[in-house]
Amino acid sequence: AQSVTQPDIHITVSEGASLELRCNYSYGATPYLFWYVQSPGQGLQLLLKYFSGDTLVQGIKGFEAEFKRSQSSFNLRKPSVHWSDAAEYFCAVGANRFSGGYNKLIFGAGTRLAVHP
Amino acid sequence: DAGVIQSPRHEVTEMGQEVTLRCKPISGHDYLFWYRQTMMRGLELLIYFNNNVPIDDSGMPEDRFSAKMPNASFSTLKIQPSEPRDSAVYFCASSLVQGGEQYFGPGTRLTVT
Repeated sequence: AQSVTQPDIHITVSEGASLELRCNYSYGATPYLFWYVQSPGQGLQLLLKYFSGDTLVQGIKGFEAEFKRSQSSFNLRKPSVHWSDAAEYFCAVGANRFSGGYNKLIFGAGTRLAVHP
Repeated sequence: DAGVIQSPRHEVTEMGQEVTLRCKPISGHDYLFWYRQTMMRGLELLIYFNNNVPIDDSGMPEDRFSAKMPNASFSTLKIQPSEPRDSAVYFCASSLVQGGEQYFGPGTRLTVT
């Protein structure tokens, strides 16, 4: 079955420190992978996505993620965290794939990031 | 563009009452999705539409839930009768094409007492 696992429920980092949020997926073929961010009381915003090609993808707000097929992972990274990055982060896989796309997203449980000054 | 618009932002109702959540997708987007977010189950896809037609409603929890899309600019998610376990944040999202980026609305926080 298709699934997404985010092992860390909560992470706390100091402002300026580096960040890595983990994501593992279970999918039978090459997945479409996404990271979304949700600020308190807000909807989800797409940070970045991987469909094919270069396994290191750049996103908005200085985030990047690396697709590692051998590890079934798609970890999110940022070299220097800002206080405004405090939010909840969701990894997702595009499921029910067909030629050219997918038709539903399966989300992980989310990782809540706190940033200390 | 104003983005995906959802109303109301907050809804508090008593068990047994009918609840209607509303969504206006981004103009020109052919796909509309309804999600539910709870602490226990996370984010779940309830149903999605393509060109106003429901394509996959396998995530709709039970017959008390129904969704419609009478035209390209409006969709409703109705719960009748509502139960306390329906308390959640309900998100609407839209995308331009199948497999394209989904743009999420701010959500409706539903509390059923």
